[in-house]
Amino acid sequence: GNSVTQMEGPVTLSEEAFLTINCTYTATGYPSLFWYVQYPGEGLQLLLKATKADDKGSNKGFEATYRKETTSFHLEKGSVQVSDSAVYFCALSETAGNEKLTFGTGTRLTIIP
Amino acid sequence: DAGVIQSPRHEVTEMGQEVTLRCKPISGHDYLFWYRQTMMRGLELLIYFNNNVPIDDSGMPEDRFSAKMPNASFSTLKIQPSEPRDSAVYFCASSRTSGRNEQFFGPGTRLTVL
Repeated sequence: GNSVTQMEGPVTLSEEAFLTINCTYTATGYPSLFWYVQYPGEGLQLLLKATKADDKGSNKGFEATYRKETTSFHLEKGSVQVSDSAVYFCALSETAGNEKLTFGTGTRLTIIP
Repeated sequence: DAGVIQSPRHEVTEMGQEVTLRCKPISGHDYLFWYRQTMMRGLELLIYFNNNVPIDDSGMPEDRFSAKMPNASFSTLKIQPSEPRDSAVYFCASSRTSGRNEQFFGPGTRLTVL
């Protein structure tokens, strides 16, 4: 079945550092890929997505590229801020026409000033 | 537009009591999802509905859990009887059939069973 594997957390970085959170997936067919973010005390919200190979999703300075050859969708940001502290979830869609998502386990990111 | 609304935001109850969590999805959304989040198990999908019909309840832990969606604007998740291991944050999310798969999450209900 489909699955998503994220790098283990927690991740702690200094402000303005470069961020990478790794995500790899296993899926049949051609899923869409997503990054969701959960700020403290809140529900998850969509950060970015990519629907086909080589697509790049971007939002709020974050980027991720859909790499079919390596089945990866790593999240990157060039210069993190304290406000980026949150839990980040990688996810994939199940099948076309079905809105169900498969989520990774989440990676907790803490940015220190 | 209002987002997904959940109530209550916090619930503290004693073991053996019945607990009912409520969710109002975004108007026009035809998918509704119930998730449970704990430190130990992460985010788990419990059940989801399409057009008010349960599609997959394989994530429901046991018969103590039940979920209903009597109409397009309301869903409940009930636990009877509750146990301490049910303590978690329960999220409701909704989405619209569009091929975009973007789920909108509510703020969650933090349940504590003593």
